[in-house]
Amino acid sequence: GAVVSQHPSWVICKSGTSVKIECRSLDFQATTMFWYRQFPKQSLMLMATSNEGSKATYEQGVEKDKFLINHASLTLSTLTVTSAHPEDSSFYICSARLRGGAAGELFFGEGSRLTVL
Amino acid sequence: AQSVTQPDIHITVSEGASLELRCNYSYGATPYLFWYVQSPGQGLQLLLKYFSGDTLVQGIKGFEAEFKRSQSSFNLRKPSVHWSDAAEYFCAVAGTGGFKTIFGAGTRLFVKA
Repeated sequence: GAVVSQHPSWVICKSGTSVKIECRSLDFQATTMFWYRQFPKQSLMLMATSNEGSKATYEQGVEKDKFLINHASLTLSTLTVTSAHPEDSSFYICSARLRGGAAGELFFGEGSRLTVL
Repeated sequence: AQSVTQPDIHITVSEGASLELRCNYSYGATPYLFWYVQSPGQGLQLLLKYFSGDTLVQGIKGFEAEFKRSQSSFNLRKPSVHWSDAAEYFCAVAGTGGFKTIFGAGTRLFVKA
């Protein structure tokens, strides 16, 4: 149980285009999902906290107009990288907190590698 | 400020040898503590967690960790490492009242034959 799936696993796009990454909790309801960015050989950097039915909370320094987050249902959150540029190339990971679960106990997606040409 | 320190960027051990990965945290109260493992190009998998009670916690894949309040540490151990354990390991801390998780910088484990 507690499986989180991300799609796509990897994506290559041209500079200036937008890319959408989906994060789904397959067998549980996730009231809160988190989006991270991970640079090579580095730790995870929390980008934003996504709460179902409300606006996402962005971390300082993360452009909310650049990284659009939508949490339309209890099982789906999406991250859209708008007008992507090469510097947006990274590994993006989502995680979900089990509804009623303990704080900090997170279930992670497989990650999505974005390459912007 | 809340923080997690993993002093070792990378560690190399021989297959069959014991392993200890260090983790120190700074937190105002007793936090929730976690160890996650990440294989290349993959998401993170929870190895074990500590919320309260017995300070020695058992996890998956033969890992265990011990919470030492006096040292603000939560070191991960395994008595005998397998080649498949080669991966990146992250220590993490979360507050009991909030949902944000803070990750350490990670320790990359290399296993040599």
